[in-house]
Amino acid sequence: EVQLVQSGAEVKKPGESLRISCKGSGYSFTSYWISWVRQMPGKGLEWMGRIDPSDSYTNYSPSFQGHVTISADKSISTAYLQWSSLKASDTAMYYCARLIIAVAGTSRAWFDPWGQGTLVTVSS
Amino acid sequence: SYVLTQPPSVSVAPGKTARITCGGNNIGSKSVHWYQQKPGQAPVLVIYYDSDRPSGIPERFSGSNSGNTATLTISRVEAGDEADYYCQVWDSSSDPYVFGTGTKVTVL
Repeated sequence: EVQLVQSGAEVKKPGESLRISCKGSGYSFTSYWISWVRQMPGKGLEWMGRIDPSDSYTNYSPSFQGHVTISADKSISTAYLQWSSLKASDTAMYYCARLIIAVAGTSRAWFDPWGQGTLVTVSS
Repeated sequence: SYVLTQPPSVSVAPGKTARITCGGNNIGSKSVHWYQQKPGQAPVLVIYYDSDRPSGIPERFSGSNSGNTATLTISRVEAGDEADYYCQVWDSSSDPYVFGTGTKVTVL
């Protein structure tokens, strides 16, 4: 079974750093990009960025570029999302998802499966 | 960047048909994918390539896409279909993976 398992909920203070993880299993981890998606409380889904685990090449949404860092360790089939200095506005649920690209450079690209989500709460 | 617009809510009686629209400029030229998110759960892919269903998704879920509107149709709606539904496309802009605004489906 293809599965993505994320690390547990986190409660942090503003200014603190954080790294959350997403471990893939049941498939070749280096064969598919991993994306991160943010969902703020009561809001919709926002694509943050993606990483190719085979070489750690990354792309970011302009909305998140410079605010987060996506990385991966292919030896343990794990992708990461990290912040160096959290803000209260980072409070959200964060999902990782496997990106299926059927045809590169086209809209034949979708997310399946998704991790269970990691709730990040930033509060003083 | 590309914008996808969905109605905030759709209400439907059990056994009836729910239609959820996703509007975008010339969206018919793109492949549209749909996700179901039940309360407190992660999103699940229910339709890809406009109208294909992943294994395990009931045939009651179907999709279409033409012109400026894509549609997710849920036939013979059940209480368990109550969820938020999001459409998604890829766009060649700098923000390539775009989600719709989301539609809450309520089963009366």
